[in-house]
This record gives sequence, C-alpha cells and structure tokens, in this order.
Amino acid sequence: QSALTQPPSVSGSPGQSVTISCTGTSSDVGGYDRVSWYQQTPGTAPKLMIYDVTNRPSGVPGRFSGSKSGNTASLTISGLQVEDEADYYCCSYTRTSTVVFGGGTKLTVL
Amino acid sequence: EVQLLESGGDLVQPGGSLRLSCAASGFTFSNYAMSWVRQAPGKGLEWVAGISDSGASKYYADSVKGRFSISRDNSKNTLSLQLDSLRAEDTAEYYCAKGVAPRAYHYYDMDVWGQGTTVTVSS
Repeated sequence: QSALTQPPSVSGSPGQSVTISCTGTSSDVGGYDRVSWYQQTPGTAPKLMIYDVTNRPSGVPGRFSGSKSGNTASLTISGLQVEDEADYYCCSYTRTSTVVFGGGTKLTVL
Repeated sequence: EVQLLESGGDLVQPGGSLRLSCAASGFTFSNYAMSWVRQAPGKGLEWVAGISDSGASKYYADSVKGRFSISRDNSKNTLSLQLDSLRAEDTAEYYCAKGVAPRAYHYYDMDVWGQGTTVTVSS
C-alpha cells in the first residue's frame, strides 16, 4: 500500500488557477473512478472537496474541480482565493478494497 | 446537524491496548459505511480501517491488520476501534469519518469527520 504521489508544495496568486497532481498505479487511481480530495487547515479535521473523481459535495465552491487521466488524478482550483491556502490530500480506493492517501500538498496563496 | 464525536484516546505504553469510540448523530447511521483515519504529528493522513453499513464487512490497512479491530453497534449509533499491541508509530490523532453516500461499501469517500482523539504510545 504505497502512498499516492503528490507534489509537496504548489503556489499561486489570488485569481490564478493551480493544479495539484496525484499519481498512483493501475491498482488504485487508474483502476477505479474512486478518487477523492480533502482540504485541511492547521488544527482542523479534513474536509471533503471532491469525490468519485469529479463530484463536488454541496457547499464546495465550483472553483474546485477534479479530473483523471490514466494513473494520475488532478485537483484544479480556479480563481484562487486567500482562504484556499491549506494542505490538500488525494485519496483512492485500491484493488485490495483498502484506501490509500497521497502524501499531501501544501498550497500557498502568494 | 450531522456530527461525529470521538473519545477514548489516551497515553498508553508500547504493547498496550486502547478502545476508541465514535458517537454518531444527525443521520441514519445504519445506512452508511464508516472509516477510521489517523494522522501522526506533523504528518499526512493514513487510512486505518473501514466497515460496511451492516458491519458484516471490515477492511484494514496492512500497517494495522491483526492488531486493530473495527466494529459498530447500529442500535447505539456507535463506531469503535480496538487497538492492541500498540507501537510508538501508532501515535496519532484518530478520526472517524462517514461515507459520503448511503451505500453499503462506500467507506472510501468521507464527507463528515469528527474532531479527532489523540493516542500516544510511549513508555
């Protein structure tokens, strides 16, 4: 159960778009449309932002979108806002019916 | 309001045991699969275990298989995690989390999380 691979950090200016990648294998990301993304700010519990690759829970702004190509999933944040600064984690269902997270990406809004 | 409230975290010696509980409210608990996720200090998220809505099916990360046991009591709206043979590397904040949709095995997308309970394994 190796962790999914995410870039340690990304940054962007307010109003810009950023994309965070999440690379797995055909046994997890590539094999199922069961990728989710979580936002976490210091001292708080994670918040679900995207599930099943592209679905947004109610209350999550439309600026957040998800996609997948092969073994790599992506989270795109358009029209970046200061309050988007946080850690982001991807997550995938796996062939062995377990769940694996990425190592996390720190988003800095300059 | 949908809520999850964990309890049971404590300081325990290596090799010891602990039982974590998660009290659910504000939704039909028996309709949703559930998970436990942990986060070591300063580290990322790690999925620990998942359980189907009925409790009949259980799934574990390799790192805890054979040592931890997940269970649920749908009559009491409670999720539990029994932690045995604890190691220093089990030190973490432990979160319970609810599956996003009322499907038996949808434990892998988690839309509601508790505030966490702290487990510290140290002599």
